[in-house]
Parts: sequence; structure tokens; C-alpha cells
Amino acid sequence: NAGVMQNPRHLVRRRGQEARLRCSPMKGHSHVYWYRQLPEEGLKFMVYLQKENIIDESGMPKERFSAEFPKEGPSILRIQQVVRGDSAAYFCASSPLPSSENPNEQFFGPGTRLTVL
Amino acid sequence: RKEVEQDPGPFNVPEGATVAFNCTYSNSASQSFFWYRQDCRKEPKLLMSVYSSGNEDGRFTAQLNRASQYISLLIRDSKLSDSATYLCVVRRTTGTASKLTFGTGTRLQVTL
Repeated sequence: NAGVMQNPRHLVRRRGQEARLRCSPMKGHSHVYWYRQLPEEGLKFMVYLQKENIIDESGMPKERFSAEFPKEGPSILRIQQVVRGDSAAYFCASSPLPSSENPNEQFFGPGTRLTVL
Repeated sequence: RKEVEQDPGPFNVPEGATVAFNCTYSNSASQSFFWYRQDCRKEPKLLMSVYSSGNEDGRFTAQLNRASQYISLLIRDSKLSDSATYLCVVRRTTGTASKLTFGTGTRLQVTL
């Protein structure tokens, strides 16, 4: 039973390029969450998606960031025109139940470390 | 004020020691509570949920005080392999969705 998969594990981009981060949830999980962890800081919630729906994007920056979770395939976090401040670890988590149901245990992927030069 | 506050440490303890971590949360509407463990440059992993009655899992004991909005984690008989960052996490529902809020973590270093 594979866990949450993320790729790439490491991504290097130059300022102004686009970054696409992929997340495949655990088998049987249809709820996906994206978090960002800046160096020496805690994880910050970005967005919560179910298949084909964005449920809560209150943690997403207003510009340049978008997320999707299509009917088929992985969830994608897309960062357009990256800047140095986007350098961080981006973690995806999945859960089998909606976020509103107890206890909402989330299982994390290994993360994608984005470095913007 | 941060929604979840933890002492960042580091806590340096010898093998076999007992160590306690504290965490406070600011939003009384928080519903569920967890401790996660994060090793250096790895993903967070759920260590245990925290219940009002307190709960124990082997050498780990978690306590919750809703009145004081305070959560603790006690590790007995520390092992070298316990060295990691321990993240206090709270969950709160707004509308139809809920989200996890993470503390910045307390770093533990267990030494010989």
C-alpha cells in the first residue's frame, strides 16, 4: 500500500519560470491538502481539494499560485513566475474522509523542495 | 499571537531521560489535537492524537487541558531515535471544511 507520492522531490527553477508540483494521494483517499514549509518555520496550510473541487483555498497567495485535483491523475500545485521567496518545501497530505470529519488524520508525502535561483 | 505556540528548544537530553513538551493554542474553537514528528528534511508523521482524557502509547503520553488551551507530550526513557522535531497540531472547522494548524515545532536531541 503505497503512501502519498510527490514528484519531483527536488525542483530548481530560475526566477520567472513556472513550477509544477505533483501529488498522488494514498489509495482510497480523495481529499488532498497542500502545505508550505519555509526554512525554520512551521507548515502553513495552503489549499484543500477533493476530486475536481477546491474546498478551501484560504491559505493560497492571491497571485501566481493555483491548484487542481482532476478526476484522473495527481493533484497539481502550480506556481507561475516564481520568485526567490517561493523557495520552500511543499508538502502534500491526503485523508480518506472529508476534513470536517473526526479525527481527520492526514498522511503526508515526502515533499518537493523548490529552490528558486 | 500565533495560533499554536511551542517552545522551539532545542531540548538536549541524555538517553533514558524523561522530557516534556508544552504547547498552547489560542482559538478555543479548536476541536482535535495531534502531535506529529518531523525528522530533518523529511515529512511530518503522525505520532498520536490527543484526547481530553489523556492518552498513552508506549513511552509517549499526551495530555489536553481545554480550559487552559494547553497540550503536552511526555516522552519517557528517551532513545537516540527519538531525536526529531515534535509538532503540535490543532484542527478547527470553519464552515464545511476544517484545517490543521501547525506549531513551529520543538526540537529534541537525545545524546549518549
